[in-house]
Amino acid sequence: AQSVAQPEDQVNVAEGNPLTVKCTYSVSGNPYLFWYVQYPNRGLQFLLKYITGDNLVKGSYGFEAEFNKSQTSFHLKKPSALVSDSALYFCAVRPYSGSARQLTFGSGTQLTVLP
Amino acid sequence: SAVISQKPSRDICQRGTSLTIQCQVDSQVTMMFWYRQQPGQSLTLIATANQGSEATYESGFVIDKFPISRPNLTFSTLTVSNMSPEDSSIYLCSTGSGPYNEQFFGPGTRLTVL
Repeated sequence: AQSVAQPEDQVNVAEGNPLTVKCTYSVSGNPYLFWYVQYPNRGLQFLLKYITGDNLVKGSYGFEAEFNKSQTSFHLKKPSALVSDSALYFCAVRPYSGSARQLTFGSGTQLTVLP
Repeated sequence: SAVISQKPSRDICQRGTSLTIQCQVDSQVTMMFWYRQQPGQSLTLIATANQGSEATYESGFVIDKFPISRPNLTFSTLTVSNMSPEDSSIYLCSTGSGPYNEQFFGPGTRLTVL
């Protein structure tokens, strides 16, 4: 069975500084990887995904993530954090040969950007 | 992308009662999913609902407790039956078109059971 680990429950960063939210995964075969963001009292919003190809993927709101197969990681990054980036971030994985229902989420990381 | 709405957005219910949550999608979709997000925790898939067939439930979830309807390609309901305080969660509706595509989520229904 696949799994996702987000080792940090909470990440604090000053506005304007770079941010990283960590994610590692375990899956049989190649993975499909996703990042979602959840703002208070709102559903999950899709940020970006890795399916195949370039290991660095770019997504919404200036976020990017780097797929590292050897380290089984898919860390979310942004060069310059905004206070409005403060939210709950979820990493998710699905096996390459799996069905759409086999999307497994990490435990989430609360990002706080301090002004 | 799909735009998903849910009703109600939140509710406070008494133990032993049932609540039906509605999910409406602005386009026809094959697969709809229902998730539960317990306080401070991640998302757990309850079931997958395909139009014209019985819902497929994940381990730990049963139809008697969480009956699902899927009458057409844009609508689904999830009922939380005989509720207890342990059912207090956010319930999210989601759609997806394939294993390599992202899923889209509704805003969620925040349920509190007293």
